[in-house]
Amino acid sequence: EVQLVESGGGLVKPGGSLRLSCAASGFTFSIYNMNWVRQAPGKGLEWVSSITASSSYIYYADSLKGRFTISRDDAKNSLFLQMNSLTAEDTAVYYCARADYTSGSYFNVWGQGTLVTVSS
Amino acid sequence: SYVLTQPPSVSLAPGKTARITCEGNNIGSKSVHWYQQKPGQAPVVIIYYDTDRPSGIPERFSGSNSGNTATLTISRVEAGDEADYYCQVWDSSIDHRGIFGGGTKLTVL
Repeated sequence: EVQLVESGGGLVKPGGSLRLSCAASGFTFSIYNMNWVRQAPGKGLEWVSSITASSSYIYYADSLKGRFTISRDDAKNSLFLQMNSLTAEDTAVYYCARADYTSGSYFNVWGQGTLVTVSS
Repeated sequence: SYVLTQPPSVSLAPGKTARITCEGNNIGSKSVHWYQQKPGQAPVVIIYYDTDRPSGIPERFSGSNSGNTATLTISRVEAGDEADYYCQVWDSSIDHRGIFGGGTKLTVL
């Protein structure tokens, strides 16, 4: 079964850091582009970051202003998101999402999400 | 940056046809993808590359894309279709980024 399982969410104080993980199974992780998408409470979906196969290219949403870093470990079938200088506006459910193999332009497998709450 | 605009809500009775629009500058030149998200669940892709349907998605769901508007059409709406729907494109015009519309809440009366 193709599956993505996120972990690492929780409560963090403003200015703090958090590292999210996404464990992939049921498919050849290394050949797929992977993404993080977030959803603030009661709000819509927001694409956060993308990393291509072999980590050749990395892209970020402009709103992150260099605070987040995406990475992957293909040997461990894992995707990561290092989040620094967190603010209340970063409070959201963070989803790990696999991009389609052909174009990498849409997200055909999603995890269940992990909640990040930034509050003092 | 590229912007996708969706109506916040659409309401209709069961059995009717729902049309959810997604507007963007010359969106017809891009591939549009649609997601369904039910409360407490992760999004699920229901239409990709404008008109294609993943296996398991009913034929009642269809998509079109031309000019400045992409449309998700849901025929013979059922109570189980009540959800949030998002359009999405991948914008490679200047930098590479995923862009979502603001989402449309479909209410089945």
